[in-house]
Amino acid sequence: SSELTQDPAVSVALGQTVTITCQGDTLRSYFASWYQQKPGQAPVLVIYGINNRPSGIPDRFSGSSSGNTASLTITGAQAEDEADYYCNSRDSSDNHLYVFGTGTKVTVL
Amino acid sequence: EVQLVQSGTEVKRSGESLTISCKGSGYSFTNYWITWVRQMPGKGLEWMGKIDPSDSYTTYSPSFQGHVTISADRSISSAYLQWSSLKASDTAIYYCARHVRKTSSSNYYYYYFMDVWGKGTTVTVSS
Repeated sequence: SSELTQDPAVSVALGQTVTITCQGDTLRSYFASWYQQKPGQAPVLVIYGINNRPSGIPDRFSGSSSGNTASLTITGAQAEDEADYYCNSRDSSDNHLYVFGTGTKVTVL
Repeated sequence: EVQLVQSGTEVKRSGESLTISCKGSGYSFTNYWITWVRQMPGKGLEWMGKIDPSDSYTTYSPSFQGHVTISADRSISSAYLQWSSLKASDTAIYYCARHVRKTSSSNYYYYYFMDVWGKGTTVTVSS
């Protein structure tokens, strides 16, 4: 099965920009979606299909993709953006399956 | 309001059976898949499998195939995750999510994503 690799942790100063990456061969074939999870809460969808935001997600969240890498950017990070972020995509080895990335802890300083 | 309501916390012993549930409301339950996701204590999200409630076709991650059973009852808009014999390693939070396949605006691509999540069911298994 496919794997999606993320950096374990990143930090960003309040109001600055941070980019989280997700790498895996399956991303050459399928789009990633991104999920934010705060402690003790269920995940929340923040980006799907490269750069589509669900209703209610601030426009400081954006996505992009190139080759085997998908990226989530937070422009002007706020304290409430401190959370774990996971990518997810279809599995190119078996397109009935899906896989989550390893997750990135974002700390807002 | 579209929502998924999951059943409550479970405390079990190794070897016992368990079924947890996920009830959808506010949308046509058979128009979207339901995916189950595991999160072990302090760990990341793991995709377990999904079901199409319209025909109960299921797909399992190889990591979970044979260890759990996913089912659905479309008449009551509910999906289920079942264990026949729990292990201590099944201790985790289990989330259900509405899994969407959406056509892009160009009609050229499909997007796949999980847009509505239940609050999670905590399962604790003691040995």
